[in-house]
Amino acid sequence: AAGVIQSPRHLIKEKRETATLKCYPIPRHDTVYWYQQGPGQDPQFLISFYEKMQSDKGSIPDRFSAQQFSDYHSELNMSSLELGDSALYFCASSGGAGTRGTQYFGPGTRLTVL
Amino acid sequence: GNSVTQMEGPVTLSEEAFLTINCTYTATGYPSLFWYVQYPGEGLQLLLKATKADDKGSNKGFEATYRKETTSFHLEKGSVQVSDSAVYFCALSVPGQGGKLIFGQGTELSVKP
Repeated sequence: AAGVIQSPRHLIKEKRETATLKCYPIPRHDTVYWYQQGPGQDPQFLISFYEKMQSDKGSIPDRFSAQQFSDYHSELNMSSLELGDSALYFCASSGGAGTRGTQYFGPGTRLTVL
Repeated sequence: GNSVTQMEGPVTLSEEAFLTINCTYTATGYPSLFWYVQYPGEGLQLLLKATKADDKGSNKGFEATYRKETTSFHLEKGSVQVSDSAVYFCALSVPGQGGKLIFGQGTELSVKP
């Protein structure tokens, strides 16, 4: 079965640079969630989209923005990167008949800020 | 606010031992409860879930029962294997709050042969 795809899998950036993370949800899923997991931490919710509209917002810095496109893929844009942004970024999708809101996670993008 | 508390790790067991990882929650309304597993270097995989009181989720020999009276969702397995070594996260989502998951801090399980 198709899973959530994230790209890139690894990303290394310098401080103050910009990064763009991409997420391709499971086909026919209409909701995308973004989470940030720091080293040894639990995942923290950043933002979510339903049918291309932002549906909820968590602890996402103002330096970050995200959107969901007409094909339901989503992008997380991160500017003025800081050392503390180094983390694993997960995308999850949900929707479609029978899933009852269960979220399915991608493999994550590991961002390292030097 | 809504929160999840898990027993601290790491938990180290011998193969074929009985596993319990405690999870309690605080939530408004009637949350759905989940256990996710994260193997080293990988993403989060849904292990099991329960959406209402007294539901039992089960998968791959793991099970957990939604106990509203004790606000708990403890994970159990009768006989663990080395391949079960991973970090286990308990999580909840509250209806009407966009579906976001709130995670516990995770419990690392290490199973020795």
